[in-house]
Amino acid sequence: GENVEQHPSTLSVQEGDSAVIKCTYSDSASNYFPWYKQELGKGPQLIIDIRSNVGEKKDQRIAVTLNKTAKHFSLHITETQPEDSAVYFCAATLSWGFKTIFGAGTRLFVKA
Amino acid sequence: DAGVTQSPTHLIKTRGQHVTLRCSPISGHKSVSWYQQVLGQGPQFIFQYYEKEERGRGNFPDRFSARQFPNYSSELNVNALLLGDSALYLCASSTRDRDEKLFFGSGTQLSVL
Repeated sequence: GENVEQHPSTLSVQEGDSAVIKCTYSDSASNYFPWYKQELGKGPQLIIDIRSNVGEKKDQRIAVTLNKTAKHFSLHITETQPEDSAVYFCAATLSWGFKTIFGAGTRLFVKA
Repeated sequence: DAGVTQSPTHLIKTRGQHVTLRCSPISGHKSVSWYQQVLGQGPQFIFQYYEKEERGRGNFPDRFSARQFPNYSSELNVNALLLGDSALYLCASSTRDRDEKLFFGSGTQLSVL
């Protein structure tokens, strides 16, 4: 069935370092891969996304890469700041669009 | 513009009771989805509604039901509550039924005792 695996579950970095979160999806029909950031007491917020016809996308300090052959995609955050501390979820949406499958989340700690 | 609003923010129920959760989407959004988020896990898809019709259903028992109203707001109903139903229930809206970009509310924290 549909599944998204996410690693690591916890990540601690020093302010200014880079952080990388990796995900693997199972359903080859997935064609949209969003990343969400969830802060305490709030719902997930979309921070960046990538479609299956694109290999890489960047938005300021955040970048995503997609390897559709290997069914891997990753989130890269450069020059991390304390306000980047949150739980990050990768997700995959099937081509018919109504259902998004989320990974289990990565809790990122950025130490000042 | 207001984001997705959910009510109530917190709720405590006992086993066997029934609960109704409410969601108002972003103005102009016609699709509403419901997700369940158990502590320490990612959100799990329950339902999607578009133009008052159910477009998708996740792997949840029939105790879970939902509906969407003409103003695009939505209700999630859960009957015969179990301890395992304790979770954060998230509502997300999107512009149309096949728009994958989800805008989430802050959720309703349901505790079943």
